[in-house]
Amino acid sequence: KQEVTQIPAALSVPEGENLVLNCSFTDSAIYNLQWFRQDPGKGLTSLLLIQSSQREQTSGRLNASLDKSSGRSTLYIAASQPGDSATYLCAVIDFNKFYFGSGTKLNVKP
Amino acid sequence: GAGVSQSPRYKVAKRGQDVALRCDPISGHVSLFWYQQALGQGPEFLTYFQNEAQLDKSGLPSDRFFAERPEGSVSTLKIQRTQQEDSAVYLCASSHVETSGSSYNEQFFGPGTRLTVL
Repeated sequence: KQEVTQIPAALSVPEGENLVLNCSFTDSAIYNLQWFRQDPGKGLTSLLLIQSSQREQTSGRLNASLDKSSGRSTLYIAASQPGDSATYLCAVIDFNKFYFGSGTKLNVKP
Repeated sequence: GAGVSQSPRYKVAKRGQDVALRCDPISGHVSLFWYQQALGQGPEFLTYFQNEAQLDKSGLPSDRFFAERPEGSVSTLKIQRTQQEDSAVYLCASSHVETSGSSYNEQFFGPGTRLTVL
């Protein structure tokens, strides 16, 4: 069974900092990897999807990379803002099943 | 257009009660998924429907859990004789075409139902 780990579990940074969230997985035979944001009491909002043939994806201040051989993905957030405060989840997609990590809870202080 | 909706948003049940959680997927979405998210954890796959057919129920934790989608649209997740360990947020997601081969179709998530079993 695919195991997904996210480090750190929680992170608190001052506004404006660049930061990196880490995701590792045990089985490199994946279809895709996706990063989500979850706000309290809300569902999951998709941020970036990286297909297995890709190495990275970018959207605005967000950049996600994928290294299947080492079983790792990183989410880079540039110039963090208080509105970025949320829990960030990575999910490894194997056909139609999602395997989620436990998330990184991010707090960006004004 | 409307997204995935779930009801109720919050449910408190006494241990031993049966509960039913409803998911309304995005209109026309063929695939529907249920996940269970315990406090401080990521969502865990429970079951998957393609139209009315339940193609994968490998994630259901026990035979007290039952899901149906009789007309291929609305789905209900039923939990019988609830236990305290069933307390979690139950998330529903839908995607507009069936998943097949190596293709992937984005899943859209609802806000979840928070179940608390006392």
